[in-house]
Amino acid sequence: DAKTTQPTSMDCAEGRAANLPCNHSTISGNEYVYWYRQIHSQGPQYIIHGLKNNETNEMASLIITEDRKSSTLILPHATLRDTAVYYCIAKLFGNEKLTFGTGTRLTIIP
Amino acid sequence: GAVVSQHPSWVICKSGTSVKIECRSLDFQATTMFWYRQFPKQSLMLMATSNEGSKATYEQGVEKDKFLINHASLTLSTLTVTSAHPEDSSFYICSACGPSQGAQPQHFGDGTRLSIL
Repeated sequence: DAKTTQPTSMDCAEGRAANLPCNHSTISGNEYVYWYRQIHSQGPQYIIHGLKNNETNEMASLIITEDRKSSTLILPHATLRDTAVYYCIAKLFGNEKLTFGTGTRLTIIP
Repeated sequence: GAVVSQHPSWVICKSGTSVKIECRSLDFQATTMFWYRQFPKQSLMLMATSNEGSKATYEQGVEKDKFLINHASLTLSTLTVTSAHPEDSSFYICSACGPSQGAQPQHFGDGTRLSIL
């Protein structure tokens, strides 16, 4: 699986859009980008995934650059409950193991 | 959405006892389940991968005789920590995935916090 790089931590004001970047410059053509988050003392929660097109669901939007070397997860209207560690993971298919890095600790500020 | 249930959520026991943790997929058939361990302030580390009806595949450095994994049905996998010691205290998390076709994501349980006294 391709290595991903994320900032260690970020702050975002409540109600604003939170934009979380992820670099995956060595991603292969058939590796997907998955985003998960982990709220304190809970299991990771799936957010969204994509291959090359931008994706949107009820939780977030995923913007993948044309060269696929980086992506951005967007939480459109951050709330205090979005405070969590966010993990960006590149891998092939759903049933392949996930390799978690250190992620980005996102803190939503009232 | 897909739901994975883990039980118990918290267990405290004496050193030397064995502890069984269950992971169930409630609304889908999980052909593959994964077991992770997370120490405080660290990221999740994969311990093993289990496929229904076959032996689990353990990651390097994980003792298969200490961490027994059984995946006897498409909705249930169990992790048994045998002869647990204080250093086994950790947050254990399972995830489950449906059939291998496509890019469907893994879904996680809420974890089991294990404390060995």
